Amino acid sequence: NAGVTQTPKFRILKIGQSMTLQCTQDMNHNYMYWYRQDPGMGLKLIYYSVGAGITDKGEVPNGYNVSRSTTEDFPLRLELAAPSQTSVYFCASSFTGVGPQPQHFGDGTRLSIL
Amino acid sequence: AQTVTQSQPEMSVQEAETVTLSCTYDTSENNYYLFWYKQPPSRQMILVIRQEAYKQQNATENRFSVNFQKAAKSFSLKISDSQLGDTAMYFCAFSTSGSRLTFGEGTQLTVNP
Repeated sequence: NAGVTQTPKFRILKIGQSMTLQCTQDMNHNYMYWYRQDPGMGLKLIYYSVGAGITDKGEVPNGYNVSRSTTEDFPLRLELAAPSQTSVYFCASSFTGVGPQPQHFGDGTRLSIL
Repeated sequence: AQTVTQSQPEMSVQEAETVTLSCTYDTSENNYYLFWYKQPPSRQMILVIRQEAYKQQNATENRFSVNFQKAAKSFSLKISDSQLGDTAMYFCAFSTSGSRLTFGEGTQLTVNP
């Protein structure tokens, strides 16, 4: 069971370039999330989705876009990369339901903007 | 807006001893959920323990237990019989719906042999 898979694991971008971080999950979770983690800090929510076709902004959405065309996939798009977007990006997924449903995290993508 | 505060950036403990990590939070909600996640050097985020605010009984998972003080808005994590593999960054997290998480800034725990 693969769980949450993120690609790539590492990437270096030049300022102004664009790229898409891929995330896919095979647990049939309806909720998916994108977080960023800056050095020495906790995770901050960028965008989330409660199901296919539905997305919403989190705490730090500026400079990013997302789409959710299928239950499995939730890509994160950086249109014009800036040095402030250098970070580690985590994708996560969870069920909805009664009680605290745990989020399952991918292994992260380390992104450097130079 | 909810906030989560971890006031101990770093802590260390000797192997086999007990350590407690602190977490406080601020919310006006009455029903919510609290979590502790562990992030070892591999960078994976691993759920350690979770607590529902309406449950008075403190959650326990093997060597990990919490001290949940709802009135004080405090949610500390106790690790008993510390092991070298417990060395990691520990994050306290808060959710009102069981979905969106607000994280604290983390406590780096080092277990010394």
